Amino acid sequence: DTGVSQNPRHKITKRGQNVTFRCDPISEHNRLYWYRQTLGQGPEFLTYFQNEAQLEKSRLLSDRFSAERPKGSFSTLEIQRTEQGDSAMYLCASSFKSPPEAFFGQGTRLTVV
Amino acid sequence: QKEVEQDPGPLSVPEGAIVSLNCTYSNSAFQYFMWYRQYSRKGPELLMYTYSSGNKEDGRFTAQVDKSSKYISLFIRDSQPSDSATYLCAVMKTSYDKVIFGPGTSLSVIP
Repeated sequence: DTGVSQNPRHKITKRGQNVTFRCDPISEHNRLYWYRQTLGQGPEFLTYFQNEAQLEKSRLLSDRFSAERPKGSFSTLEIQRTEQGDSAMYLCASSFKSPPEAFFGQGTRLTVV
Repeated sequence: QKEVEQDPGPLSVPEGAIVSLNCTYSNSAFQYFMWYRQYSRKGPELLMYTYSSGNKEDGRFTAQVDKSSKYISLFIRDSQPSDSATYLCAVMKTSYDKVIFGPGTSLSVIP
């Protein structure tokens, strides 16, 4: 499978716990994006990387959220002290510089109870 | 004002109809325009990408961009039940920028 891979597909956690999601991009893609999507809405941008450098973070990304992309390969998104409002689909996408289309993974659905 | 706006629908059409989906955007700096299709509980799937103004056709799908009016359209000819999904328009300022999505339009094609 040469597409974007996200793990886990589903995560149920108790409020206050920390969670970590992983994204493996398409191998030759140097850009990696994280988005959050709630029911009935389009994906909202959270952050993106070019290689290992984190180039931009959305104001939506509170201090409880952190993302890394060591060595410009896979990426992790960690949410600390989860809140019920964090319940959403977390999407990862990757792209190459030209053409700029972003290809998405299947997402990780987080439920905070 | 949101950067990208779409009518959320739902839009329901009979099989075989021509479907027109539309978006407007607010910033004239956007240069790249994309349409994604998203089935329920799946990640978005890229349908078409256009640079600047003009038309682009791919099979039953045609994308149009009018930068003068900041208007993006997707036309689906001979619509099929398998086209039932949410359609997201998306924009970028440069090929190095983040992708900004509209809220999506839900489409149902009735057999």
